[in-house]
Amino acid sequence: GQNIDQPTEMTATEGAIVQINCTYQTSGFNGLFWYQQHAGEAPTFLSYNVLDGLEEKGRFSSFLSRSKGYSYLLLKELQMKDSASYLCAVSDSNYQLIWGAGTKLIIKP
Amino acid sequence: SAVISQKPSRDICQRGTSLTIQCQVDSQVTMMFWYRQQPGQSLTLIATANQGSEATYESGFVIDKFPISRPNLTFSTLTVSNMSPEDSSIYLCSVEDRGGQVNTEAFFGQGTRLTVV
Repeated sequence: GQNIDQPTEMTATEGAIVQINCTYQTSGFNGLFWYQQHAGEAPTFLSYNVLDGLEEKGRFSSFLSRSKGYSYLLLKELQMKDSASYLCAVSDSNYQLIWGAGTKLIIKP
Repeated sequence: SAVISQKPSRDICQRGTSLTIQCQVDSQVTMMFWYRQQPGQSLTLIATANQGSEATYESGFVIDKFPISRPNLTFSTLTVSNMSPEDSSIYLCSVEDRGGQVNTEAFFGQGTRLTVV
């Protein structure tokens, strides 16, 4: 079967750095996405990795290791507005998106 | 990119009734998708809405319960039929560029928060 695993919840302090991990087992791989979802809102796109390595975009970076079936999202200089759920999704061999359950990130002052 | 307008944003419905959710996209798209997201869980694909043909349903979802219309390349509806409290969830429509030369991200409507009482 296809499976995406990520922690259910994480807590971090404003101004700090947090890393959210995602491991996956899918039939084929055509890229990995990270989305941010604030409570009561639709997911919004953060990043896309299809090759191994680190993609940096401002305060957010995303890393991929295809051989390990592993990715992480790194958030720096945390702000209160970063409190949200972060969803990992993998595009499989049919380009269908397989979604993780999301990691709820709580930011404390 | 695509801008998707989804409505209603929320509704409270009586069991046994039906609710139709609408999604309007600001550009023509080949494929539209309907997801369900139950509290604390991942997005689950209900079906793919194809223009000019019947929707393709995922395992566990059937047309009688979730009829879908796709009259043109910018619009789709999902109906949740004969509702029960177990149908309480967030329903999201999405457009995605699958395959081709570039695999781009999914764009979502605002979501419909459905509560069945």
